[in-house]
This record gives sequence, structure tokens and C-alpha cells, in this order.
Amino acid sequence: AQTVTQSQPEMSVQEAETVTLSCTYDTSESDYYLFWYKQPPSRQMILVIRQEAYKQQNATENRFSVNFQKAAKSFSLKISDSQLGDAAMYFCAYRSNAGNMLTFGGGTRLMVKP
Amino acid sequence: EPEVTQTPSHQVTQMGQEVILRCVPISNHLYFYWYRQILGQKVEFLVSFYNNEISEKSEIFDDQFSVERPDGSNFTLKIRSTKLEDSAMYFCASGQGYNEQFFGPGTRLTVL
Repeated sequence: AQTVTQSQPEMSVQEAETVTLSCTYDTSESDYYLFWYKQPPSRQMILVIRQEAYKQQNATENRFSVNFQKAAKSFSLKISDSQLGDAAMYFCAYRSNAGNMLTFGGGTRLMVKP
Repeated sequence: EPEVTQTPSHQVTQMGQEVILRCVPISNHLYFYWYRQILGQKVEFLVSFYNNEISEKSEIFDDQFSVERPDGSNFTLKIRSTKLEDSAMYFCASGQGYNEQFFGPGTRLTVL
């Protein structure tokens, strides 16, 4: 079974600075998808960014980018120019190409200091 | 922008009672999911539903649980004979395909 680990329960960043959230996963599969979800205090999870394992190029969405290291099974999220609205729980998730269930990490609470 | 909605936002029930959690997925989505998050723990997959049948389920999703799409808009999770350990946040999600799941705000279930 796949597992997803987020080793940082909490992180803080100064507004306008850059922060990186870590995620590692364990799988024997070669084809899969990785996601970062944001869960603001209202508790509705929102997809931030998605990475297909077969793509070598790291995904980017505006201020959000990933560092996908397939051999190391690492999938970190970088948030540039942090804003107060970025404060939330961030979940890393894995989906096998053979199914559609998401396996989540334990989450990282990001605090943004003004 | 269309959103997944869930009702109620909070449900309190007595142990042994049956509860039905309701979800309205985004209208043109074909895949439907239930997840739960026990306080302080990871979000866990329960079940996925496509073409009017369960396509995948976890070990958690035993005979106590069932899902239904009773009409063209609702997607329900029924928990029979609730137990204390069923207390959790239950999230519904929907998607057009495999690549993205849109989550609802969740229903907090408290079993007393």
C-alpha cells in the first residue's frame, strides 16, 4: 500500500517570503499522480497543484511550484511571495494510475506572519 | 463557480442510530467519493462511485456503510448503527475524470 508522509506538522513564513513544504511517499508503482491540496479554516479542500509522475518537468501554478524528485520519492511544494491568504493546512496526496482513491499525508499547517 | 455542497454541516446522533449524510456534487461530474477525517488524523478514503456502482472502496467501508445516488443530483452516505469511533469529518468529492477531485466543506458527525 502507498503511504504519504509530511514531516512538518507546522511551518511559518513571513509575508512576501518563500516557504517549502515537504512530502515524501512510498510506492512500488512507476505511473501515478501527486497533488497538493490547501484546506483553509473553512475546511473545504482546494487543489493547488498536480504533478504527473511521467512528466519530468515540475508543475507550476503562479506562485506555487513543486520540486518532484521521482527517484527520491519526494514532492515538495514551494510557495513564493507568501500572502496572508496562504495560511491553511496543506495536504500532499497520491493517486495510483490504477485507481482513483487519494492517499493523503498528515498535513502541514502553514502560518503566514504579517 | 460550481461547488460541491454537503448537508448537514454538523450532525449529532446517538450510538446505534443510523445517519445519512448528503452531498450534491458538481452537476456535470461523473465520479463521486467519500472521505473521512477523524480529529487529529489523516484524511482517509472510504469509497468511490461511478456509473451507479461502487468502483473502489477501502477496508473502512464495511457493511455498516452504503452509498447511493437516489436521483440525478444527490449522493448519499448511510452509516448504519453508528459507533463512537465513527465520529469524524466526512468529505464528499466529485470529479469529471480521474485527474481532479473537488471537495465539499464536510459534515461533522458526532456520535454520543
